[in-house]
Amino acid sequence: DSGVTQTPKHLITATGQRVTLRCSPRSGDLSVYWYQQSLDQGLQFLIQYYNGEERAKGNILERFSAQQFPDLHSELNLSSLELGDSALYFCASSPTGGDEKLFFGSGTQLSVL
Amino acid sequence: DAKTTQPPSMDCAEGRAANLPCNHSTISGNEYVYWYRQIHSQGPQYIIHGLKNNETNEMASLIITEDRKSSTLILPHATLRDTAVYYCIVIPSTSGTYKYIFGTGTRLKVLA
Repeated sequence: DSGVTQTPKHLITATGQRVTLRCSPRSGDLSVYWYQQSLDQGLQFLIQYYNGEERAKGNILERFSAQQFPDLHSELNLSSLELGDSALYFCASSPTGGDEKLFFGSGTQLSVL
Repeated sequence: DAKTTQPPSMDCAEGRAANLPCNHSTISGNEYVYWYRQIHSQGPQYIIHGLKNNETNEMASLIITEDRKSSTLILPHATLRDTAVYYCIVIPSTSGTYKYIFGTGTRLKVLA
């Protein structure tokens, strides 16, 4: 158990809908990262937050947005969903967002039908 | 984009050492090399990291060449449970806006 909690574990929805994925980092970790992994693909970095502020942005679509709240949990919002958004979404956390190891959650499996 | 190159797949016999190479020829002097693995569809798991010296922990050993342009992750006695995708990434020592980019990794299959 990494200490990073992601909910829900599975999510099934229809095209055009909007969903919210939630991540609670390890106790004491200030930085949260979001990754997308499509079937048999590598991990695609989406975005990183540190203590409530956006720190780095990757290949995140404009239909996607994220935020980190004062209690340090983070949410990834996906809107106008398309079939191609079906993927595993991972959240990771680290203490300071620097040169340190990341701790990953078990992921949320999103299926867009 | 990922700054590392890894072979897409490797096989290893159970009980033998698994040696996974990684090329990072453009690595900078202050950049660490990190290794993670992902078993099936689980979240990636940290294995080991290093800057210049070779490193060893309970999971693996990391050998970094003197010029730091490549490294090798060694699983000394591979088991079936080591079957996974192994990712090698480089991390700067003073990360401010660095994006933790994972490449496509090496798919290691441990054979019985």
